[in-house]
Amino acid sequence: AQTVTQSQPEMSVQEAETVTLSCTYDTSESDYYLFWYKQPPSRQMILVIRQEAYKQQNATENRFSVNFQKAAKSFSLKISDSQLGDAAMYFCAYRSGDSGYALNFGKGTSLLVTP
Amino acid sequence: ETGVTQTPRHLVMGMTNKKSLKCEQHLGHNAMYWYKQSAKKPLELMFVYNFKEQTENNSVPSRFSPECPNSSHLFLHLHTLQPEDSALYLCASSQDNWSLSYEQYFGPGTRLTVT
Repeated sequence: AQTVTQSQPEMSVQEAETVTLSCTYDTSESDYYLFWYKQPPSRQMILVIRQEAYKQQNATENRFSVNFQKAAKSFSLKISDSQLGDAAMYFCAYRSGDSGYALNFGKGTSLLVTP
Repeated sequence: ETGVTQTPRHLVMGMTNKKSLKCEQHLGHNAMYWYKQSAKKPLELMFVYNFKEQTENNSVPSRFSPECPNSSHLFLHLHTLQPEDSALYLCASSQDNWSLSYEQYFGPGTRLTVT
């Protein structure tokens, strides 16, 4: 079974600083996608960034970027210039064909942003 | 309305009650999902519908009964629930359930409390 591990239940960052959230996953598949989702206190989960396993180049979306290490099965999220609105739960997720195309989520990391 | 909507947002029910959760997506998607979100646990996929056909039932107890009358609407019928079923129930949709890359769009969730 595929598993996604987020080892940091809580993280804290000061406004304008950079923070990295870690995620590791376990799979025997060669083709899969990885995602980071954000769930603010209002509870609506939204996609932050996605990465295809076949692409070596790390995905970037504005202040959000990933460090994808395929051999190590690691997929960390870097948030630069942190803003108060970045405070949320962040979920790492994995999707492949042999999981029935279902999203497998980690337990999440709660990010606190301090002024 | 746009995106994925869920009603009600909060629900308190006794163990002998029957109630239904409703989800509606306005994105023209063909796949819809029910997830259960409990504290300190990863999101659990419950059901998947692709083009109105149920493609996944993730060993969910029969006291949860899904219904997908069309690609835009998804229901979760609840009866004789247990207190451990108290959780946030999230609905999501995506273009379909065949492509690994398709983003899932989430609703705000229904906070269910079983007394």
